[in-house]
Parts: sequence; structure tokens; C-alpha cells
Amino acid sequence: EAGVAQSPRYKIIEKRQSVAFWCNPISGHATLYWYQQILGQGPKLLIQFQNNGVVDDSQLPKDRFSAERLKGVDSTLKIQPAKLEDSAVYLCASSRATWGRRAYEQYFGPGTRLTVT
Amino acid sequence: DQQVKQNSPSLSVQEGRISILNCDYTNSMFDYFLWYKKYPAEGPTFLISISSIKDKNEDGRFTVFLNKSAKHLSLHIVPSQPGDSAVYFCAAIKFMDSNYQLIWGAGTKLIIKP
Repeated sequence: EAGVAQSPRYKIIEKRQSVAFWCNPISGHATLYWYQQILGQGPKLLIQFQNNGVVDDSQLPKDRFSAERLKGVDSTLKIQPAKLEDSAVYLCASSRATWGRRAYEQYFGPGTRLTVT
Repeated sequence: DQQVKQNSPSLSVQEGRISILNCDYTNSMFDYFLWYKKYPAEGPTFLISISSIKDKNEDGRFTVFLNKSAKHLSLHIVPSQPGDSAVYFCAAIKFMDSNYQLIWGAGTKLIIKP
């Protein structure tokens, strides 16, 4: 099966500019996650979708970050305006919706490396 | 508040020997633990998991051990191969209402020397 797709792979912007990332999860995976990974740290969950509904966005800086998942498939994450501390890799992951052991296994895309100057 | 800690940023092991990666956690209510492997410029990939009711799970060259009393788990790779060189993340499952969240460690970079 095809993996999680993300684009772009790299992005360099100046502070106060806007940026958007796109994610296409594995077909049939109802749950989609956006993570922020700063160098030397583990991934930090920003938002979790179940189909097109938000399950958890408690760590999303809502004054500048927004995300949507149209029709329960693709998702976009936007930052507006960007700050220097937003420089990180943004990872998208998906998992099966059913409960049970394999529901915990998240499949990750290659990530988007964002540099804010 | 780091609930999952990987105290070794890096580890170097000779090819063919055993690699042991360690992970400590603080929340005794974690129900499940996972290990992910990450190559440069790629996303993490699931490696192996263990339920809190077990103390060992094995999958080929990879074995995870869980010591609940010590709040410690470890990943053993035997024998280590050059392709095992990667960053390894430990993660714990935290249940919240009807959902769950992965709590991640900071990762350990494993280098396998030829």
C-alpha cells in the first residue's frame, strides 16, 4: 500500500510570512496526526483528526496555527504568521481507526523541514 | 515535564554485537509502549511494541523488555547490522477519555560500526 505523502519536503520562509503543508494519509486510515519535531526532541502532537473531526488540538498554537481535513482524507496545516521558533520538521501520520493493538501503530510521512529566517 | 526519557543521545556499537537502547518513564498508568526507528530525511517507522501486562516481546532480531517496577524498558538488537544505524524513539500510550496519545522520548542515535 502507498505510504503517507507530504509536500513540500523543504520550505524556507521569512518570519511573519505564511506557509502551508499538505498531507495525504494511507488509504482507509481514518485517524490523521500532525506533529512538530524540533531537532533533538521527540515529535510533539499538534492536532489529531478522526475522519474530518478534531479529536485533540490541545497543543496547537491556535493564534498562528490552523489545520483542516476536508472530506476526511487529505489535510493541510497552516502557519500564519511564522516565527523563528517554528523552524522544525512537520510530520504527518495516520493510523487505523479501530481500537486494539494495531490502532496504536502510526505510519509517518517523510516530513516537511521548515526553516524560518 | 518529560514523562518518557531516553537519557542517551547516542550509542555506538560494533557490528554483530548487541545494541541495548534504554527508556525510562514516570507515569505508571501507561498501558502500552512502542519503539520507532527513524532514518535521516524520513518519518519514523514502527518497530515493535509491548503491552504493560507483559515483560517481553520479541520480533526477529528485536526484543523489548519491560520492567514495570523500575519504570524502565529496553530494546535489544541482536546481532546489530549496519542498517540498524538510525535514531530510535521510545513512546508510551496515554489514554485520555476515549482517545489516546503517544508520549515520545527524545530519541537515541544508534551508530553501528563495521
